Amino acid sequence: EIVMTQSPVTLSVSPGERATLSCRASQSVSSNLAWYQQKPGQAPRLLIYGASTRATGIPARFSGSGSGTEFTLTISSLQSEDFAVYYCQQYNNWPLTFGGGTKVEIK
Amino acid sequence: QLQLQESGPGLVKPSETLSLTCTVSGGSITSSSYYWGWIRQPPGKGLEWIGTIYYSGSTYYNPSLKSRVTISVDTSKNQFSLKLTSVTAADTAVYYCARSYGGNPNWFDPWGQGTLVTVSS
Repeated sequence: EIVMTQSPVTLSVSPGERATLSCRASQSVSSNLAWYQQKPGQAPRLLIYGASTRATGIPARFSGSGSGTEFTLTISSLQSEDFAVYYCQQYNNWPLTFGGGTKVEIK
Repeated sequence: QLQLQESGPGLVKPSETLSLTCTVSGGSITSSSYYWGWIRQPPGKGLEWIGTIYYSGSTYYNPSLKSRVTISVDTSKNQFSLKLTSVTAADTAVYYCARSYGGNPNWFDPWGQGTLVTVSS
């Protein structure tokens, strides 16, 4: 099983600032990496797939990068609606596995 | 616009079987492009993939749950279902159904709103 590790666990950011979230895989997942956003009481929402392709309707301030074992989700200028928990997921191998999440909170 | 909706009992007794159904609307479950999955999230914790099914009945399960899980599909009702046997308090979670792209392992989009299942006597 591929273990996904996200850091930091919590990220405190002021509105308008840049947020950088990390996701590391225990072995290479190529570019088979997705990012999701989850707000309290809601289902996860797909943001990024293929490590860097934004899903339909996702604002351009969200960008993904990386390949192999190291990945980054960047939110260029945080808006109030972006404060949430973010999860990465690898889909290079079964079983599908998720990272533990990064909570982006208001500083 | 594709929508998924989970349904089933919100309370299950320990050692019994958890049964949930996901109803797909706005699209066909028999589309050759998509697979269908179940994911769960214990309260305050992260996401755990349970399993994925194709409309033909092909399934992929998380090894950690495989001995207790069965996912099935009912194409006539545009639904797929989850059964988890011998549940314990550790199975208390919000259960989500979601669409997955393609036959290989893949991402999920969209997701249902989720349903909380509590295991308690």
